[in-house]
Amino acid sequence: NAGVMQNPRHLVRRRGQEARLRCSPMKGHSHVYWYRQLPEEGLKFMVYLQKENIIDESGMPKERFSAEFPKEGPSILRIQQVVRGDSAAYFCASSPQGETNEQYFGPGTRLTVT
Amino acid sequence: AQKITQTQPGMFVQEKEAVTLDCTYDTSDPSYGLFWYKQPSSGEMIFLIYQGSYDQQNATEGRYSLNFQKARKSANLVISASQLGDSAMYFCAMREVQGAQKLVFGQGTRLTINP
Repeated sequence: NAGVMQNPRHLVRRRGQEARLRCSPMKGHSHVYWYRQLPEEGLKFMVYLQKENIIDESGMPKERFSAEFPKEGPSILRIQQVVRGDSAAYFCASSPQGETNEQYFGPGTRLTVT
Repeated sequence: AQKITQTQPGMFVQEKEAVTLDCTYDTSDPSYGLFWYKQPSSGEMIFLIYQGSYDQQNATEGRYSLNFQKARKSANLVISASQLGDSAMYFCAMREVQGAQKLVFGQGTRLTINP
């Protein structure tokens, strides 16, 4: 049973380019969470999605960041016009429908903006 | 608003000793869950243990146990018989049962096990 998949694992972008991070939840999971981890810090919640719906985006920066979880395919976190401050590890977690005690994390995508 | 505090930026422990990692939390929600995750140098987040706010007993998972003191709002992780492979960052996190169920993380504690 495959776990949460994220790709790419490492992504290098120049300032001003776009970054697309992908997350495939565990089989049967319909809830996806994105978190960002800056160096030497804990994870910070960004957005919570269910299939075709954004449930909570209270942690998303107001500009340049967007997320989607289409009916088919992975969840995408998109960062437009990246800046050096966007360099971080981005983690995706998934959980099954309904209340659950655990969110299963993917291995993360490490974004470096040069 | 939820808040998690981990006051130990780093800890150094001799192999085979027990270690306690501190975590205090703040929430106005009567129903919540507390989690501990391990993040080794490879970067992945590994779930260790969970404690529900209404659980009567402290959670245990192998060498991990959670010292849950609800009145003090603390949820310390205890690792017994530490091993070299326990060296990692450890994060305490909380999730309120109501609402979006997002996790709120502490700053983490870097644990180093010395041989």
